[in-house]
Amino acid sequence: NAGVTQTPKFRILKIGQSMTLQCTQDMNHNYMYWYRQDPGMGLKLIYYSVGAGITDKGEVPNGYNVSRSTTEDFPLRLELAAPSQTSVYFCASSYGLGQGSGYTFGSGTRLTVV
Amino acid sequence: GESVGLHLPTLSVQEGDNSIINCAYSNSASDYFIWYKQESGKGPQFIIDIRSNMDKRQGQRVTVLLNKTVKHLSLQIAATQPGDSAVYFCAEISSGSARQLTFGSGTQLTVLP
Repeated sequence: NAGVTQTPKFRILKIGQSMTLQCTQDMNHNYMYWYRQDPGMGLKLIYYSVGAGITDKGEVPNGYNVSRSTTEDFPLRLELAAPSQTSVYFCASSYGLGQGSGYTFGSGTRLTVV
Repeated sequence: GESVGLHLPTLSVQEGDNSIINCAYSNSASDYFIWYKQESGKGPQFIIDIRSNMDKRQGQRVTVLLNKTVKHLSLQIAATQPGDSAVYFCAEISSGSARQLTFGSGTQLTVLP
């Protein structure tokens, strides 16, 4: 199994550009998450989804949008990139809420906005 | 606001020694705690967890201690190895319907030869 796959691994955007970070999981997990990690910091939750068609805001949702049309895919959209969105983005999935051992993280997308 | 934080940003230990990484939390509603290991260029990897009705839990070479009185969590790694070099995060999940992970800021563990 591939687990959680994120693409691209690296990206440089200019201010005001838009892009979509892709996330796919093959574990049939209902729950999926997007986190951002700033240098030297822990992960902060951007958006999450408890199943296809259902999404909800996390701690830092401003400037981002998500959709969940299938169980497998959970893309993260940046519409107007800003330097403050320079970060490493991690997608994760889990089979349930509240089970730390059940979270599987992708390898991350390093985004730089210049 | 509620947060999970770490006492020390960096920790260096000699290979073979034991490591202790500390974490303080402030959310009294937290009922589940997790330690993650993050190697460079990778996502967090689950190490061990503990529920608030426990004081101690042991895994392979790792032990987590929970002191609810002072809201303190620690991760002990026995016989630290070079492969243990990484950033370690504590995270908590609070009781309630949301039950989302909240991460601390991390401790960089460096194992010296």
